[in-house]
Amino acid sequence: DTGVSQDPRHKITKRGQNVTFRCDPISEHNRLYWYRQTLGQGPEFLTYFQNEAQLEKSRLLSDRFSAERPKGSFSTLEIQRTEQGDSAMYLCASSTDRGRREKLFFGSGTQLSVL
Amino acid sequence: KQEVTQIPAALSVPEGENLVLNCSFTDSAIYNLQWFRQDPGKGLTSLLLIQSSQREQTSGRLNASLDKSSGRSTLYIAASQPGDSATYLCAVRPSGGSNYKLTFGKGTLLTVNP
Repeated sequence: DTGVSQDPRHKITKRGQNVTFRCDPISEHNRLYWYRQTLGQGPEFLTYFQNEAQLEKSRLLSDRFSAERPKGSFSTLEIQRTEQGDSAMYLCASSTDRGRREKLFFGSGTQLSVL
Repeated sequence: KQEVTQIPAALSVPEGENLVLNCSFTDSAIYNLQWFRQDPGKGLTSLLLIQSSQREQTSGRLNASLDKSSGRSTLYIAASQPGDSATYLCAVRPSGGSNYKLTFGKGTLLTVNP
């Protein structure tokens, strides 16, 4: 068990380019979350998967954002036609259903800078 | 809509001091509350989770309490060390509806001076 892994750690891109991030959750976790964090703020929920099903998508996610979790394993988050306002830390977390004891485990995040 | 507030926004203490971080939330219908630590430019590390039916949880020098009816939680750190310097975030999980979405506070930036 190596924890939640995210790749890349840092991404610098030019406005208008597409970017894709990957998240590998803890192997036995069936729940996967994406959050976004900007400087000085707490993370904000983006989307949630239970196994391969995307059960909710935040209004923060415009049509330029898409997330997938094929076969209920790793997940990808793609941002098309990036804008400067997309610059943020993108955090992935995973968990397994343990009722009120369910704890989220976060990865180290992908820091996106859009120039 | 749930709102989570953390006070103070920043705190600087000398090494060895005991300290308390505060977290308040507006909707008491929560499933659990989790405290995280975040080092600069890094992800979040879970410290303690308190279920809605619990009053407190302890792990080493850390003790978290929960008063659900008043919408408050505290994180107590005993005998602080320079290695405790980080941002501490609290997050609540709602008890109904979309109960998998955490709502976070903005965090308290803690600096422990040697």
